[in-house]
Amino acid sequence: KAGVTQTPRYLIKTRGQQVTLSCSPISGHRSVSWYQQTPGQGLQFLFEYFSETQRNKGNFPGRFSGRQFSNSRSEMNVSTLELGDSALYLCASSLVATSGYEQYFGPGTRLTVT
Amino acid sequence: GENVEQHPSTLSVQEGDSAVIKCTYSDSASNYFPWYKQELGKRPQLIIDIRSNVGEKKDQRIAVTLNKTAKHFSLHITETQPEDSAVYFCAAEDSGTYKYIFGTGTRLKVLA
Repeated sequence: KAGVTQTPRYLIKTRGQQVTLSCSPISGHRSVSWYQQTPGQGLQFLFEYFSETQRNKGNFPGRFSGRQFSNSRSEMNVSTLELGDSALYLCASSLVATSGYEQYFGPGTRLTVT
Repeated sequence: GENVEQHPSTLSVQEGDSAVIKCTYSDSASNYFPWYKQELGKRPQLIIDIRSNVGEKKDQRIAVTLNKTAKHFSLHITETQPEDSAVYFCAAEDSGTYKYIFGTGTRLKVLA
């Protein structure tokens, strides 16, 4: 089985612009979670989608949004980019719909905001 | 909500020695605790996990212990090797929410 894939892998944007990141989960996985990873803050939970519905959201401003399509692929959008949004954005997919499930991470998209 | 603290932030051990990383959590209802290893420039990889109905789990040189009363869990790596050098993250599920809260990571260096 192919693993979790993310595109693009690297991205450079300017402050004020917006960006869309994409995540394709492992085939058959219906849950996709997004995380922001920075050296100072570690792995911060952004949101989680299951069957096209956002089930949970972390403590990020409304500039961060996401969605999931019927094929379980997910996108994350950040509007009005700020310098502090520079980070590695990771998505993780999971098969099981209930609590206590295993998550598998994609390679991440490294976003640099200048 | 759940809060996870991880210690130490860095750990250096001699090859062949053991390494222990500890995490504490706040939500007594949490029932799933995974550990991830992240090598430089790579994605986090799940290396072991434990559920609240189990006190210890082993997989070759890696073991995880869970103390529900004290709300802490630990990763134990025995006979460390240079390839064990990486950042290790613990996590706890915010009970029933499908939301994982990660520790801040431990950078393990195994010195040859």
